[in-house]
Amino acid sequence: DAMVIQNPRYQVTQFGKPVTLSCSQTLNHNVMYWYQQKSSQAPKLLFHYYDKDFNNEADTPDNFQSRRPNTSFCFLDIRSPGLGDAAMYLCATSRSTRQGIRDEQYFGPGTRLTVT
Amino acid sequence: DAKTTQPTSMDCAEGRAANLPCNHSTISGNEYVYWYRQIHSQGPQYIIHGLKNNETNEMASLIITEDRKSSTLILPHATLRDTAVYYCIVRAVNQGGKLIFGQGTELSVKP
Repeated sequence: DAMVIQNPRYQVTQFGKPVTLSCSQTLNHNVMYWYQQKSSQAPKLLFHYYDKDFNNEADTPDNFQSRRPNTSFCFLDIRSPGLGDAAMYLCATSRSTRQGIRDEQYFGPGTRLTVT
Repeated sequence: DAKTTQPTSMDCAEGRAANLPCNHSTISGNEYVYWYRQIHSQGPQYIIHGLKNNETNEMASLIITEDRKSSTLILPHATLRDTAVYYCIVRAVNQGGKLIFGQGTELSVKP
């Protein structure tokens, strides 16, 4: 089945050690999103790509970067993880950002990041 | 900030209808209401969305008041697998399709 895949499901990294989370999709959607969800909180958008155009949220720390080498893949890079970056990271896709069409977002299962 | 208000938690008996309310009194005329749910340890799942007319699909029904200031998501026959956090979201306009999640309603379906 077409889907949004996130690997790994669980990632442990050391304080200050760069880490990369990956997301792939078989839906051929042109928009890909990264959300951060801390424990007992709602998901919060970090940034998204519309095709190759990168859109950063104003309050996303510089420590978080993203790459989208092609339509199918998108990566989240955390350059120097702190203890406060421990969270579930969710990748999502949608067909378009325009209103009025079936542009609902499809989420992956998430990667739970632990920082030691 | 989220533009919706939902009860923190609700209970529902298995097999009964679950009615989840949402207030969005500041909604703009061209903003849609979206509902997502998140089962524990999974990513959010799209349920339904609407502008001003009532909507129904295989998962749920969405009832939007005439003034569009509130809506209700209805799960007609709740099952234990419907236990989840339900998010009511007003879709931002001209902001890249971002979803601004509020705190949602934690629905517990009990046998």
